[in-house]
Amino acid sequence: ETGVTQSPTHLIKTRGQQVTLRCSSQSGHNTVSWYQQALGQGPQFIFQYYREEENGRGNFPPRFSGLQFPNYSSELNVNALELDDSALYLCASSGGQGVMNTGELFFGEGSRLTVL
Amino acid sequence: GNSVTQMEGPVTLSEEAFLTINCTYTATGYPSLFWYVQYPGEGLQLLLKATKADDKGSNKGFEATYRKETTSFHLEKGSVQVSDSAVYFCALSDGVSGGSNYKLTFGKGTLLTVNP
Repeated sequence: ETGVTQSPTHLIKTRGQQVTLRCSSQSGHNTVSWYQQALGQGPQFIFQYYREEENGRGNFPPRFSGLQFPNYSSELNVNALELDDSALYLCASSGGQGVMNTGELFFGEGSRLTVL
Repeated sequence: GNSVTQMEGPVTLSEEAFLTINCTYTATGYPSLFWYVQYPGEGLQLLLKATKADDKGSNKGFEATYRKETTSFHLEKGSVQVSDSAVYFCALSDGVSGGSNYKLTFGKGTLLTVNP
């Protein structure tokens, strides 16, 4: 069983640039969620994708956007980067046919973004 | 909205000491409750969970009981090891509208350091 994988693991951008982060969900899972974890804080929910559509969103501005593909993989895009966007971005997968839905999420190791 | 409050860290213990990390929550309905652990440089891993009142989750010597009357889910371990050094997050799940999947609301995390 393949777990959740994310890329890149680390990246550095400058203010105003755009970034795309990628995530492959765990085998059999059809839902992908993205979280932002600032240094010393708990993860904050950005949004969730289910059946290739956004299915719930946290308190993040529209410059945070995403996609989900037919194979359930996902991208997180952030435009007009700000210094405060520096964080660990975590992808989590869940759900799927035959998968008991108890609210448990399976996390990748994250993409650490530094904005200078 | 839903929220999770957990004990501020850091917590430093000697090996074989007793551990308690307090967690309380505010939520509507009947969320599932989780403890996740994050080892240095890694993503989050599920440590244990409880899906209804009075359930006890347990794993690797850690335990937590879902107390609806006190809205608490305190994490305990009778004898900690150096390898338990990590950040521990309490979380609750609630439904994401439009689907059958969930998002997690996390506490800020508690850093545990266990010295030999």
